Amino acid sequence: DAEITQSPRHKITETGRQVTLACHQTWNHNNMFWYRQDLGHGLRLIHYSYGVQDTNKGEVSDGYSVSRSNTEDLPLTLESAASSQTSVYFCASSEWDSPTHFGPGTRLTVT
Amino acid sequence: TQLLEQSPQFLSIQEGENLTVYCNSSSVFSSLQWYRQEPGEGPVLLVTVVTGGEVKKLKRLTFQFGDARKDSSLHITAAQPGDTGLYLCAGVPSGTYKYIFGTGTRLKVLA
Repeated sequence: DAEITQSPRHKITETGRQVTLACHQTWNHNNMFWYRQDLGHGLRLIHYSYGVQDTNKGEVSDGYSVSRSNTEDLPLTLESAASSQTSVYFCASSEWDSPTHFGPGTRLTVT
Repeated sequence: TQLLEQSPQFLSIQEGENLTVYCNSSSVFSSLQWYRQEPGEGPVLLVTVVTGGEVKKLKRLTFQFGDARKDSSLHITAAQPGDTGLYLCAGVPSGTYKYIFGTGTRLKVLA
């Protein structure tokens, strides 16, 4: 069965470190998205991609970057982790502009 | 500015009761999606409503899109403990290209 996976599921890191969160989908979807979910803010879009070599900034992209070298993967990198980036991160994929399949999430704590 | 307001924010009811969750905006949406998210998991897409006045049913769940496409409701008949979760509405307001999520309604159904 097709799926979308994220790793790690939990991560604790220190302020200033570079962190990469992995997202892998086997739906063969062109569109992939990264969201963060925080209490009081709901889900907010960080970055998205409509295909290989395509990346776009979302509403909360500062301090994050993505790259899309193949259809299946969209890794999210925090260049220099900050405590404000403590959150739960969700990757999603879709054949449409809106996300249809979400991964299980990565809980990131920055100390 | 939160363009999608959901109400109520929290709802705790007994098994067998009926309930309605609302998703309201001052903006027009070309479509709205409803998701359910369980603790420790990503959101799962339940339905997409596209046409003003549209009603869709998914077993005991009934989704309605307002005639003016500015609001939507989710009605659950005879709620069960398995309905417990966070219900999210989402869509793209007309005139923008930003897909936004409401802050959600957290439902708890007690056995």
